Amino acid sequence: QAGLTQPPSVSEGLRQTATLACTGDGNNVGDQGATWLQQHRGHPPKLLTYRNDSRPSGISERFSASRSGNTASLTISGLQPEDEADYYCSAWDRSLHAWVFGGGTTLTVL
Amino acid sequence: EVQLVESGGGLAQPGGSLRLSCAASAFTSSSSWMHWVRQAPGKGLEWVSGIDRDGSQTIYADSVKGRFIISRDGVDNTVYLQMNSLTGEDTAVYYCARELGSFDYWGQGSLVTVSS
Repeated sequence: QAGLTQPPSVSEGLRQTATLACTGDGNNVGDQGATWLQQHRGHPPKLLTYRNDSRPSGISERFSASRSGNTASLTISGLQPEDEADYYCSAWDRSLHAWVFGGGTTLTVL
Repeated sequence: EVQLVESGGGLAQPGGSLRLSCAASAFTSSSSWMHWVRQAPGKGLEWVSGIDRDGSQTIYADSVKGRFIISRDGVDNTVYLQMNSLTGEDTAVYYCARELGSFDYWGQGSLVTVSS
């Protein structure tokens, strides 16, 4: 099953802003949007944003999501060392009748 | 606090079977879709299977269709994944996740290793 496309890695400086992209098509991201997950090494994923781009309780305002057409974006402002992690997008694909994930982006805070 | 606890992982031989369990607490698992998502060593997340609120609808990734069976027990508030005809490509940490439009809660994962 085809997945979503994410860049393998992104690097940005401390206290800077990083933007992570997730590209799908009209059957998934373009249809109902994407969610974003954060995963630190050795830990399970944690939900950062819902499909409507809102944040669960307890997630910092530094994380914000948006969508333009078939591409979803996660913006992390004021980068902190603890933001170093893998970030995944996911979406429901109405054509495949399956959930799809991006390959993940490893964020490095310099 | 919502908790999902997986169990049942371990070592299986190629062609063998294992059954994973996911015990839910602090919420009724039958109030939401429940899914299994796996992560092979050093790799990304891969959705495996999902089951709806009353167990009447199940969905599977192509990679496991015909080999894996998802089910749920509303009384025990537990979701299961029966894995048959296992191959080395099934080696992964298997996570149980709750879905309410997004995967909002995840278990700690259960490691499945398929090797002779």
